[in-house]
Amino acid sequence: DGGITQSPKYLFRKEGQNVTLSCEQNLNHDAMYWYRQDPGQGLRLIYYSQIVNDFQKGDIAEGYSVSREKKESFPLTVTSAQKNPTAFYLCASSIPDRMNTEAFFGQGTRLTVV
Amino acid sequence: DQQVKQNSPSLSVQEGRISILNCDYTNSMFDYFLWYKKYPAEGPTFLISISSIKDKNEDGRFTVFLNKSAKHLSLHIVPSQPGDSAVYFCAASGTGGTSYGKLTFGQGTILTVHP
Repeated sequence: DGGITQSPKYLFRKEGQNVTLSCEQNLNHDAMYWYRQDPGQGLRLIYYSQIVNDFQKGDIAEGYSVSREKKESFPLTVTSAQKNPTAFYLCASSIPDRMNTEAFFGQGTRLTVV
Repeated sequence: DQQVKQNSPSLSVQEGRISILNCDYTNSMFDYFLWYKKYPAEGPTFLISISSIKDKNEDGRFTVFLNKSAKHLSLHIVPSQPGDSAVYFCAASGTGGTSYGKLTFGQGTILTVHP
């Protein structure tokens, strides 16, 4: 079945440590996105990539880094510079060169800093 | 700067009645609008969309209305069912400028449908 897989579902990190969230898709989509959800704030865009080896900062990129070495994969690293990393992280993909198309989301990763 | 706003954090409706969820936007470059439904600890799932060349799109119990002059859209669910209880997000994208290729989401509205 085609879809987007995020792993792990739950992740615990100690303060000061970097952690990488995985996102893999087999939908053959060119574009991939990372969003963060906090209570009452909806989904905010962290980074997005419209093609392999290229990515752009979203609205809240500080303290995060990404790579896009393969079309299928778009891992997100939450660095120790991120002041408030505890949140629900969502990865999505879409076909950017098609107008009027929706993005498909993974099941999310809940990151908790302990 | 919140470009997509859902001003009602929550909505409570009786089963069988109509649910109306509202969304306002400020960016005139937006030309495609979507509604997503989300359950706790899951990713959002696409519900319905509308292009700016239309003012209404219907899919079964779900209808989205777009008022471009007011920069306002709404989602109508008729009749509402308890299984519709979830968080609903409005989202927008554009084909030009900085809005190209990415979705901007509202804060979400929690819909509760009572039996």
